[in-house]
Amino acid sequence: DAKTTQPTSMDCAEGRAANLPCNHSTISGNEYVYWYRQIHSQGPQYIIHGLKNNETNEMASLIITEDRKSSTLILPHATLRDTAVYYCIVRVPGSSNTGKLIFGQGTTLQVKP
Amino acid sequence: NAGVTQTPKFRVLKTGQSMTLLCAQDMNHEYMYWYRQDPGMGLRLIHYSVGEGTTAKGEVPDGYNVSRLKKQNFLLGLESAAPSQTSVYFCASSYGYPSTPHQPQHFGDGTRLSIL
Repeated sequence: DAKTTQPTSMDCAEGRAANLPCNHSTISGNEYVYWYRQIHSQGPQYIIHGLKNNETNEMASLIITEDRKSSTLILPHATLRDTAVYYCIVRVPGSSNTGKLIFGQGTTLQVKP
Repeated sequence: NAGVTQTPKFRVLKTGQSMTLLCAQDMNHEYMYWYRQDPGMGLRLIHYSVGEGTTAKGEVPDGYNVSRLKKQNFLLGLESAAPSQTSVYFCASSYGYPSTPHQPQHFGDGTRLSIL
């Protein structure tokens, strides 16, 4: 199964951009990269996903390297409410007909005043 | 629009008791999932369903059973609860293949289950 590697924790100053890296060196050509976050005690919340091109939505931007072996989630202006565990997920190969996800440990982002 | 609703939110059981966790979604999603999350860990998939009347095993299925009799509901059962099943349980749903294969999963707020 494709696996991801993320730093255990990161800090970010409020109002600054938060850049969360993810390594997925074993990703196959047709697998998407998904990002979710989990704010304390709540269910995971979908943020963004992408295949090859950079993606942007109202929450964040996703930058995927050309070789697709790594990606970076960017929160452009972090707020205290962005403090959460962020999960970078590559879907189980061949799971397009099941949608199965495998969650790793994620990165705990602490946004500080 | 409620999204994904889990019932109950909290429960304390004694070892050997049985119970059923209910997940309901109002988004007409084909796929539904049950995960568990233990302290300091990511979510692990217990069972999932790709449509009404179908279920399949995930990473950690032992000790659990599931049923999907209606498209909008996915039930998780513990026949004989054990302390090792103390956890937070999350349900999720999504659109299915092939209509929208890359659509994300939507999660409920979890059921906190303690087994003494």
